[in-house]
Amino acid sequence: EVQLLESGGGLVQPGGSLTLSCAASGFTFSSNPMSWVRQSPGKGLEWISVISSNGGTTYYADSVKGRFTISRVNSKNTLYLQMNSLRAEDTAVYYCAKKGGSGFYPNGWYFDLWGRGTLVTVSS
Amino acid sequence: EIVLTQSPGTLSLSPGEGATLSCRASQSVSSNLAWYQQKPGQAPRLLIYGASNRATGIPDRFSGSGSGTDFTLTISRLEPEDFAVYYCQEYGSSPLIFGGGTTVEIK
Repeated sequence: EVQLLESGGGLVQPGGSLTLSCAASGFTFSSNPMSWVRQSPGKGLEWISVISSNGGTTYYADSVKGRFTISRVNSKNTLYLQMNSLRAEDTAVYYCAKKGGSGFYPNGWYFDLWGRGTLVTVSS
Repeated sequence: EIVLTQSPGTLSLSPGEGATLSCRASQSVSSNLAWYQQKPGQAPRLLIYGASNRATGIPDRFSGSGSGTDFTLTISRLEPEDFAVYYCQEYGSSPLIFGGGTTVEIK
């Protein structure tokens, strides 16, 4: 079955750190660029970051640049999001998603497979 | 940064009726626009990409149209499972932007 499964969410204090993981199965992970998208409670969707298939190219939204780091280990079929200096406004469900199209960023960057998400709550 | 404005915010319709959802971009995104459906507690599901191409497994009652700045998602006859929130997303420039969503609710 083709799927993405996020883990690592939880409660963290402001200023703290957390690392999210996304385990991929059912497709050739190493050939696919990946992304993280988040959704604050009751709100809309916000793109956070993308990474190329070999991990050599990354892009970030301004809201997380310098605080979050996207990475991947293709041998483990796993995508990561290292989150530092967390703020209350980072509270959200974090989804990993697979790029659906082709071409260099931002071309083709719609998402044809999503995980179920993991909730990150930043609160004291 | 592009702004995507979706309208209306909420559509109240009955099963069997048609729905027309709008997504307007603050500048041209060519045909680099996707539509997603999201139900409560679930991840978004890709419906349309390239403004008018249905994703794999999407019923033909869903159709997308438009280019440049004005886009439309049409649901020809609402089925009970179609009541959900719909988002558009542009991928013509950086950053990738999602619209604020349209809720299609049962009247």
